[in-house]
Parts: sequence; C-alpha cells; structure tokens
Amino acid sequence: DQQVKQNSPSLSVQEGRISILNCDYTNSMFDYFLWYKKYPAEGPTFLISISSIKDKNEDGRFTVFLNKSAKHLSLHIVPSQPGDSAVYFCAASASNAGNMLTFGGGTRLMVKP
Amino acid sequence: DAGITQSPRHKVTETGTPVTLRCHQTENHRYMYWYRQDPGHGLRLIHYSYGVKDTDKGEVSDGYSVSRSKTEDFLLTLESATSSQTSVYFCAISESWLTWTNEQFFGPGTRLTVL
Repeated sequence: DQQVKQNSPSLSVQEGRISILNCDYTNSMFDYFLWYKKYPAEGPTFLISISSIKDKNEDGRFTVFLNKSAKHLSLHIVPSQPGDSAVYFCAASASNAGNMLTFGGGTRLMVKP
Repeated sequence: DAGITQSPRHKVTETGTPVTLRCHQTENHRYMYWYRQDPGHGLRLIHYSYGVKDTDKGEVSDGYSVSRSKTEDFLLTLESATSSQTSVYFCAISESWLTWTNEQFFGPGTRLTVL
C-alpha cells in the first residue's frame, strides 16, 4: 500500500500559466516533505521542502503548500516555463526514521511554449 | 553538482546471472543509498549504508545485497538476476541522517534489463 501518492501521472500546461502538482500521504508520522525534479537520463534533484510545522514554503517560482488535516501537499510553479518540463516526485520522511524517504509515483509535467 | 557516478550506465543481462552495480562518490558523505525506480512506484529504497561496513535493508531488499568497504564506494549485487529486477537503479548520498538539514543527492542512474 503506497503511503505517498501522486494521483495525476501527467499534467500539461501552457507557458506562463500556473502548474499545480498534488501529493497525498497516509502516514501521520510523516513530518517532512520534499519535491524532487527529474529530467530524462538524469538522477532526481532536490527542488523544495517543507516541515510539518509550516503550511507554506516559497522559493522563487516554486511554492509548496501543506494541509496536514487533509494529508495533502501541492507544488505550485508560477509562471511555468518550458524548462520546467520534467517528472516531479513528492517524498516524505518521519523524524523517527531519519533520512528514509518514501516517494510518490511521480507526475510528468509538460509545459507547452 | 554532487560528485556521484554510477557504473555501468546501461546493462543487459540474462536471468540467473549475477550483476554488480557500482556507486562512487567524491563528497566524503557518510550515508549512501540504493533505490530502484519503476513506473507508478516512484523510487523505492533497496538498501542503505551509514558508514563503512555498516548497511541495512530498505523497503525492497529481497534479492539484493550490498557492500561498502570504502567511504566512497557502495556496491549493489543481484546474486541471481530475475526479470522483475529490470529497472532503473539510482544511488544517492547524504551528509547526515536528518532529512531536514540536508537533502539526498542522486547519481545519474543505471538502466538494467534482465532478459
């Protein structure tokens, strides 16, 4: 049973518009959440993270929102650029499990010029 | 970019043969990890290491073994490869065990096909 789920396998948006990628989790022990970005033939790279003590974290065009009661987080990219086209993975960890990351299945984002 | 290399980058092998994948880092990070990536499953942890000769199992460790004889090298071995082990394998490193103080850095991956 997957503890971290990304229910949309793919998402297509127009350049300049907002991209919203969603992630749901079931384990209430998760208290730290990360987004990784992956281009073809490369390893994932860290994008942004959020601790469970916050509900929002912003870094340039990227903002992550956390709704603990709903066990849901989302990644907003504004404005979207063609270079953002990649697979995005949501990941979660629990303090008592250290750096053991549980990943979602990924969402492929395509930003059209 | 973190100094992580994986070898080989691509490998095709036959069922029942042993396979060893190598991860090499130049960052002197203590922690190293092996993941596999499969469609719909994201990345799943196979084994990890918290120091030389110190390793432990992850979520999907059956059929895999690891060894770490030097800080910079972490080997993943499939003793007798099966078709279900066809996947893309990623190595990762981190400086500490605490997620919130540092992220994991990933290597470029090894695509393994077991026929």
